[in-house]
Amino acid sequence: QSALTQPASVSGSPGQSIAISCTGTSGDVGAYNYVSWFQQHPGKAPELIIYEVSNRPSGISNRFSGSKSGNTASLTISGLRADDEADYYCISFTTSSSWVFGGGTKLTVL
Amino acid sequence: QVQLLESGGGVVQPGGSLRLSCVASGFTFGTHAMHWVRQAPGKGLEWVSFISWDANTKYYADSVRGRFIVSRDNSRDTLFLQMNSLRAEDTAVYYCSRDLSERYSIDHWGQGAPVNVSS
Repeated sequence: QSALTQPASVSGSPGQSIAISCTGTSGDVGAYNYVSWFQQHPGKAPELIIYEVSNRPSGISNRFSGSKSGNTASLTISGLRADDEADYYCISFTTSSSWVFGGGTKLTVL
Repeated sequence: QVQLLESGGGVVQPGGSLRLSCVASGFTFGTHAMHWVRQAPGKGLEWVSFISWDANTKYYADSVRGRFIVSRDNSRDTLFLQMNSLRAEDTAVYYCSRDLSERYSIDHWGQGAPVNVSS
């Protein structure tokens, strides 16, 4: 159950778009379309922003979008806003009937 | 609205035990699978355990298998995590969370219960 690989940090200016990658293996990200993304602000519980690779829960802005190619999933945030500054985590269901998170990515809005 | 309220966290010595509880409200607890997820201080999220709505299916992370036991009491809308043989590396905030049915994801989280394993 090795953690999925995410960049430690990304940054962008307000209004720009950024992408965060999440790389796994054929036993997790590549096996199913069961990749989700969470946003976590400091001191707060995580919030689901994408599930099943590209689906947004009710109430989540369409500035957040997800995709997947092979063993790598990606989260794209368009029209960056100051309140997007947070930590972002991917998670995938695995062929071992478990879930595995990515190490997390800190997004800085410049 | 969905609410998950954890309790039972605290300080415990290495090798000790602790039981976390999570009381659910705002939804039909007995029809939802549940997860425990933890976050060590200053670190990322780590999935810990899953239990199906009827408790017939349970999954554990390798790091806790054989030491932690997940259970539930649907008559009391409560989820439990029995943690035994605790180690310093189990120190974390433990989140109770609701499974997003048939989507292999998590859609609601509690505010977390801090556990500190220290001598």
